[in-house]
Amino acid sequence: EFVLTQSPATLSLSPGERATLSCRASQTVDTPLAWYQHRPGQPPRLLIYDGYNRATGIPGRFVGRGSGTDFTLTISSLGPDDSGVYYCQHRQLRGSSWTFGQGTKVEIK
Amino acid sequence: QLLQSGGGLEQPGGSLRLSCVGSDLAFRNHAMSWVRQAPGKGPEWVSTFGNVRDTYYTASVRGRFTVFRDYDKNTLDLQLNNLRVEDTAVYYCARHDGWNSHYFDLWGQGTPVTVS
Repeated sequence: EFVLTQSPATLSLSPGERATLSCRASQTVDTPLAWYQHRPGQPPRLLIYDGYNRATGIPGRFVGRGSGTDFTLTISSLGPDDSGVYYCQHRQLRGSSWTFGQGTKVEIK
Repeated sequence: QLLQSGGGLEQPGGSLRLSCVGSDLAFRNHAMSWVRQAPGKGPEWVSTFGNVRDTYYTASVRGRFTVFRDYDKNTLDLQLNNLRVEDTAVYYCARHDGWNSHYFDLWGQGTPVTVS
């Protein structure tokens, strides 16, 4: 079974600080990862696709990196609207299934 | 924009139908999926309606849920039969960026399903 494990579960940081979110795959990925932000009362919002490409309207402080089994999403300077839960996501070509991580909650102090 | 309707409270073993409607621009030339999120958990992919009427389901719903798509009306429906308590979640329709995309670039507002 393919699993995405995100860490840490919670990040509590001050505005302007850097946030580094980790996503580890249980096996080498066969397609690039995506990252989403989910804020209460809203649907998830695509941040990063194909591993490192920013979605439309996503500022440059969001950077996706990684390969193989280890991936990171870095928010270089946290803003007040960056709070929420962040999820990584992968599509397995074999069997056509999509998997999400369990999320990292980012809190702004 | 993707607008969802349906859902609600149902007993175990019952049925519900979820609907998602979008503009022609939102739907045409895109695979469409349903993704759910149970309380306190991460999102879980449920089903996809791809190109050439290809459909895919996660193992836990296969045989109980059916995805439908009407290309003329730009709608995506999910028929939920033989519901279980563990199907309780907020259900989102989600658009893929194209027919063979790995990710979801547009989401509906979500509709809650409670099985109790």
